[in-house]
Amino acid sequence: DTGVSQNPRHKITKRGQNVTFRCDPISEHNRLYWYRQTLGQGPEFLTYFQNEAQLEKSRLLSDRFSAERPKGSFSTLEIQRTEQGDSAMYLCASSSRKALDTGELFFGEGSRLTVL
Amino acid sequence: QKEVEQDPGPLSVPEGAIVSLNCTYSNSAFQYFMWYRQYSRKGPELLMYTYSSGNKEDGRFTAQVDKSSKYISLFIRDSQPSDSATYLCAPRVAGGFKTIFGAGTRLFVKA
Repeated sequence: DTGVSQNPRHKITKRGQNVTFRCDPISEHNRLYWYRQTLGQGPEFLTYFQNEAQLEKSRLLSDRFSAERPKGSFSTLEIQRTEQGDSAMYLCASSSRKALDTGELFFGEGSRLTVL
Repeated sequence: QKEVEQDPGPLSVPEGAIVSLNCTYSNSAFQYFMWYRQYSRKGPELLMYTYSSGNKEDGRFTAQVDKSSKYISLFIRDSQPSDSATYLCAPRVAGGFKTIFGAGTRLFVKA
């Protein structure tokens, strides 16, 4: 399967711990996105990479959140000193340079974070 | 005011019904109007999209945009239990990097 892969699928952690999520996009896609989704809400934009460059970061993203995409391949999203309000589904999506106008997003199945 | 407003539902209909899902938006620069479908515990997937105003049909699904009123609709004919999902409207600016999602409408189609 050559879809977007996310790991781990579910993470339970205690408040104050650090967590890291990994996303492997579709190989030929140069754009990679992280979104956050809470119950009853649509995906909320967090950050965007074009190749290895992080070009946009939501103002909603506190400095406890950091994302990287070394070498323009997989990406990691780290949350430091987790808080209960960080509990959500973290979705990764990738998009092809050929879909510049529509920006069609291919999503992974998400990483669900539960902070106790 | 949010850029995209969508009634979260839930909306429950009997099998075979015609379903109407709607969104409003505020940014007049939006040119592409995407609909994503999200099954429970899955990531969203693109269902269909339209460019600018007008209608687009794809099987049992019709997407409609009225840019003058900033109103987006998705119609589902002959709804099936397999259509039970959350439908997310997602307008965007052509060539822009960011897609903004509505809250999503949860649809239940009862057999």
